[in-house]
Amino acid sequence: ETGVTQTPRHLVMGMTNKKSLKCEQHLGHNAMYWYKQSAKKPLELMFVYSLEERVENNSVPSRFSPECPNSSHLFLHLHTLQPEDSALYLCASSQGRDSRNEQFFGPGTRLTVL
Amino acid sequence: GNSVTQMEGPVTLSEEAFLTINCTYTATGYPSLFWYVQYPGEGLQLLLKATKADDKGSNKGFEATYRKETTSFHLEKGSVQVSDSAVYFCALSGGSNYKLTFGKGTLLTVNP
Repeated sequence: ETGVTQTPRHLVMGMTNKKSLKCEQHLGHNAMYWYKQSAKKPLELMFVYSLEERVENNSVPSRFSPECPNSSHLFLHLHTLQPEDSALYLCASSQGRDSRNEQFFGPGTRLTVL
Repeated sequence: GNSVTQMEGPVTLSEEAFLTINCTYTATGYPSLFWYVQYPGEGLQLLLKATKADDKGSNKGFEATYRKETTSFHLEKGSVQVSDSAVYFCALSGGSNYKLTFGKGTLLTVNP
């Protein structure tokens, strides 16, 4: 595998389910990100991890819970979601603290909440 | 705060037509500017970037010039191909923090 991979690619869940999204980067980067991509809206940064420590949380509801066990893996745990949480969830990684560095994105997980 | 405004589209062109996608920004300080592209079913990829005023970023025939006086970073290509069909995102970064601010994206469709 190369680049940034995400699993699953598609997920359908009910509002009472608990599920997790997985991201893995094979680039040796030290920062990882979760973004939410909704139709007609700009990408929303949800979480940023640097060296496995969360450095930014843009006021995301607690029903989204990130986990970064090491610099190559990032998870997004989901529970009691709402239909408006349906979106494409993108993972990205980069090298270094500087946002001028290129971010490399995975293909995303298309989430549908029923 | 920082913000990016880009033409909403969708934009539909014939092959070999000239492309312009407008992007303007609001930011404090001296941001870096980016264009990312998202092909169907894929994540975003960096297309080009410029880190200071009057810099020109270029890649795959696309160009954009960082214009501080007009706070713009318009994307241009002289002759588009069907394979350029994708969503294009303008973005800016504010320096040492992690945050990229994205525009809403512009869908480009190129017909043969």
